[in-house]
Amino acid sequence: QLQLQESGPGLVKASETLSLTCTVSGGSLSRSSYYWGWIRQPPGKGLEWIGSMYYSGSTYYNPSLKSRVTMSVDTSKNQFSLKLSFVTAADTAVYYCARLDYYYGSGSIWGQGTMVTVSS
Amino acid sequence: QSALTQPASVSGSPGQSITISCTGTSSDVGGYNYVSWYQQHPGKAPKLMIYDVSNRPSGVSNRFSGSKSGNTASLTISGLQAEDEADYYCSSYTSSSTLEVFGTGTKVTVL
Repeated sequence: QLQLQESGPGLVKASETLSLTCTVSGGSLSRSSYYWGWIRQPPGKGLEWIGSMYYSGSTYYNPSLKSRVTMSVDTSKNQFSLKLSFVTAADTAVYYCARLDYYYGSGSIWGQGTMVTVSS
Repeated sequence: QSALTQPASVSGSPGQSITISCTGTSSDVGGYNYVSWYQQHPGKAPKLMIYDVSNRPSGVSNRFSGSKSGNTASLTISGLQAEDEADYYCSSYTSSSTLEVFGTGTKVTVL
């Protein structure tokens, strides 16, 4: 059964770059027709899509974050990553990674999430 | 891009049915059959309840059902139970930047 696990620093200083990795187990990240995404949820607030990507490298970023976001994939490690630059307190949130399915009809699968706090 | 519109709160008594709406545009909800619904209890990760408008993942109670008409999708919870009290979010494929867009979220209260 496919599982996703987020990892990375829980504390990042303001103005620095937040870096998170999502490790995929129980399946291949490079299987065609699946997309992979990042979502975040600030404390007490709703869910926000950060961006999505295909294993080949095509990316789709939230316009409000586009200038600071970079998503990448490492198929050899079955991992994909998120980098968010010049973070502020507003970037403090639980960050989730997910697999999106628009082809096989199996629904999305999410990781358990990781809390990232931006400190001043 | 704009979030999908959901009512801030919906409530019902045990045993009743409630419906949560999710309104978008022809670029998302109305244009594609890729609407999902998530349930989130406090401090927990969102749980997929409905995908592709009306499909239930294995293990999800058949008290949860989804539908769509035009630019509005709906989640119906029948036979409301105390454990259904949670936040609910819709999500849809979108032809704009991110591939997916969330709804604003609905807090369900069981009276």
